[in-house]
Amino acid sequence: DTAVSQTPKYLVTQMGNDKSIKCEQNLGHDTMYWYKQDSKKFLKIMFSYNNKELIINETVPNRFSPKSPDKAHLNLHINSLELGDSAVYFCASSQDIGSTEAFFGQGTRLTVV
Amino acid sequence: KQEVTQIPAALSVPEGENLVLNCSFTDSAIYNLQWFRQDPGKGLTSLLLIQSSQREQTSGRLNASLDKSSGRSTLYIAASQPGDSATYLCAECTSYGKLTFGQGTILTVHP
Repeated sequence: DTAVSQTPKYLVTQMGNDKSIKCEQNLGHDTMYWYKQDSKKFLKIMFSYNNKELIINETVPNRFSPKSPDKAHLNLHINSLELGDSAVYFCASSQDIGSTEAFFGQGTRLTVV
Repeated sequence: KQEVTQIPAALSVPEGENLVLNCSFTDSAIYNLQWFRQDPGKGLTSLLLIQSSQREQTSGRLNASLDKSSGRSTLYIAASQPGDSATYLCAECTSYGKLTFGQGTILTVHP
């Protein structure tokens, strides 16, 4: 009955590979986000989508491509993975792009070797 | 440039103490401020959200305040328990729902 769910929870892959992380929310929210938490535990926004439209793209390398097939899903595809991409990636959602509460998924720990 | 700073970076207290975590932010165009809790290896759990028009919010033993004019928020935890041990993150919400996070305060409550 998880509100915001991500898969996989752990992902270990080699440099140069392409991988995807999936996110789904069952809260009926209009807005979804991807955040990255680096090795120093600092959380920073990457993207946000509202009603399937890209709203925020926070100067993320174009190897990262979000895809929102519908309001309930926001997937993150990463091409040509680099060692520096190792981090925990969090998906989140909120009712809209205004001042509403954000709910986070459990995170996907990506390790690039 | 938006910045959110949390003080202290780490705090260790005995069980039963009341404590205050501090958060300062620079963007005056804040929509709201959220406090989250993160347990090791887990996601973020929303604790309290204070709208920009509000001064404080309370939930159980937690009370959060917001002072826009000084760019500060505090999270007060009453009668701390070992189960409160976690990292506490504050985040200011600005345009388009973007959350800018502080570095967090690592709280340890020992029995």
